[in-house]
This record gives sequence, C-alpha cells and structure tokens, in this order.
Amino acid sequence: AQSVTQPDIHITVSEGASLELRCNYSYGATPYLFWYVQSPGQGLQLLLKYFSGDTLVQGIKGFEAEFKRSQSSFNLRKPSVHWSDAAEYFCAVSGYSTLTFGKGTMLLVSP
Amino acid sequence: NAGVTQTPKFRVLKTGQSMTLLCAQDMNHEYMYWYRQDPGMGLRLIHYSVGEGTTAKGEVPDGYNVSRLKKQNFLLGLESAAPSQTSVYFCASRDTGERLNTEAFFGQGTRLTVV
Repeated sequence: AQSVTQPDIHITVSEGASLELRCNYSYGATPYLFWYVQSPGQGLQLLLKYFSGDTLVQGIKGFEAEFKRSQSSFNLRKPSVHWSDAAEYFCAVSGYSTLTFGKGTMLLVSP
Repeated sequence: NAGVTQTPKFRVLKTGQSMTLLCAQDMNHEYMYWYRQDPGMGLRLIHYSVGEGTTAKGEVPDGYNVSRLKKQNFLLGLESAAPSQTSVYFCASRDTGERLNTEAFFGQGTRLTVV
C-alpha cells in the first residue's frame, strides 16, 4: 500500500523568503504525485502534479516541485512567499484506485 | 460549473442519531471518495467507489456506510453517530485517466459535530 510522509507539521517563513515543504512517498511502481493547498474553511485545491517526464514540475501561484526517485521525495518550493500563501499543504500519491494523503504541513507567514 | 457539491455544510447530531451526507458531481467522473479530516491526521479515506453500483472500504470505514446508486451521487451514512465521528468530511471525484494519473476535485466539506 502507498503512503506519504510530511515530516514538518508547522513551518514559519518570513514574507519574501523562500519556501521548501518536504514530502516523502512510498509506492512500489512509478508514482503519480500531487500537492494540494487548503485555505482555512475551504476544500482542497490542486497546486501541481507529477506523472512522468521532467522531474521539475511547475504549478499555480508560483509553486514548483521536484521529483527525486532516488530519495522517494517530491518537495514543494516557492522562491518568494506571500502572506496569502499561509495555508495547509498536503502531498498525495495515487495508488491503484485511491489517493493517499500525508498529514499536512501548516505554513505560517510572518511579516 | 458546480464541480463537487456537498450537502449539508454543517450539522450537529446527538449521539446515536443517524444522518446521510450527500455528494454530487457534475463532471461525469467514475471515481468518488469520502475522506474525513481531523487535526494532525490529514485526510483519511473512509470509503470509495470506482463506478456506479460499486463501493469499497478505505482506511477508516467503521461506523460508516455508503451507496452509489447513480454515477453522479455518492452518499455517506452514519447509522448511529458517536462523538469520535466529529470531523470535517470531504467528498472528492476524479476521472480514471491513464492508470489514475488524474487530479481529484474536492467539495467544500461538511463540518459534523456529534454531542
């Protein structure tokens, strides 16, 4: 069965600073990987996804993620964080029929 | 374009009461899911469906039942609610694509409190 680990429960970043959120996955075959964002009281919105090909994936809102098979990782990055990026971020892996999520990382943005 | 719609958005139940949460999608997706979200636990899969008339258990199915009588609807039932079922419930749907390389679309959630 697939699994996802997000090691950081909370991260605080200063506005304008760079961001990296970590995600490690476990899956026996070629993984299909996703990052979602959830603003308070809202549903989940897709930021980006990786299926195959280029290991650096671009998403919405200036986010990108890099797939590293050797490290079983799919870390999310953004060069300059805005206050509106404060939210909870979830990494997910697609299995045979299901979509498995990590426990999430809460991003706090300080002025 | 409605996407995935969940009804109701909020509900308070007394222990032992029953209720049904409705999820409706207008994207003709085959796969539908019910998740629960609890602080520090992420989203955990309750039940899912790979097509009309099918259902399967997820990670935390106990205390819940589901039905998918129509392709566009996926119902989640609580027969006898317990305080441990206090949570935010999310429905999602996705197309099958090529070996499920498709994103899931989520509803806005149902906040359920069991007292």
